[in-house]
Amino acid sequence: DSGVTQTPKHLITATGQRVTLRCSPRSGDLSVYWYQQSLDQGLQFLIQYYNGEERAKGNILERFSAQQFPDLHSELNLSSLELGDSALYFCASIALSTPNTEAFFGQGTRLTVV
Amino acid sequence: QQQVKQSPQSLIVQKGGISIINCAYENTAFDYFPWYQQFPGKGPALLIAIRPDVSEKKEGRFTISFNKSAKQFSLHIMDSQPGDSATYFCAARGPGGGGATNKLIFGTGTLLAVQP
Repeated sequence: DSGVTQTPKHLITATGQRVTLRCSPRSGDLSVYWYQQSLDQGLQFLIQYYNGEERAKGNILERFSAQQFPDLHSELNLSSLELGDSALYFCASIALSTPNTEAFFGQGTRLTVV
Repeated sequence: QQQVKQSPQSLIVQKGGISIINCAYENTAFDYFPWYQQFPGKGPALLIAIRPDVSEKKEGRFTISFNKSAKQFSLHIMDSQPGDSATYFCAARGPGGGGATNKLIFGTGTLLAVQP
């Protein structure tokens, strides 16, 4: 158990809809990263938050947004969903005290857009 | 410049053989290179990592070889076992300061199957 909790584990929704994925980082970790994993693209970095502030952005679509709340949990909002958004979405938290940047991943949310 | 290129996409190895996965990068500001292992239905987990001032790091059957001048690094799994069957991702830590403010850039992954 990595200590990172993601909910829900599975999500099936229709095109055009909006969903929210939730992540609770490990206790004490201030940084949350979101990644998208699809079959042909590997792990794609979406966005990083650190103590409530956006720190880095990757290949995140404008239809996607995220935030990190004062209790450090994070939400990834996906709107106007398309079939191609079907993927595994992972969040990871980074141990602040680890200079080697070990990322601890949750078990992911499998999103299926039909 | 922010990419990490990984090969092969998939690999089949016989039990007891050596599995080799390669990665290449462009950005010389990357300063930390971990490998992650992912089993089906699970999130990736750190396997082994290396810094660019070291040419090799070994932990049990897993070894990272690092070639700074070529901007390449590779994972070698000695005496590969069926339990090693998983997806392996190389990664590189991007520039921007130390600790938790950096982001990890991942390769596209290698699906390893070790046949008994």
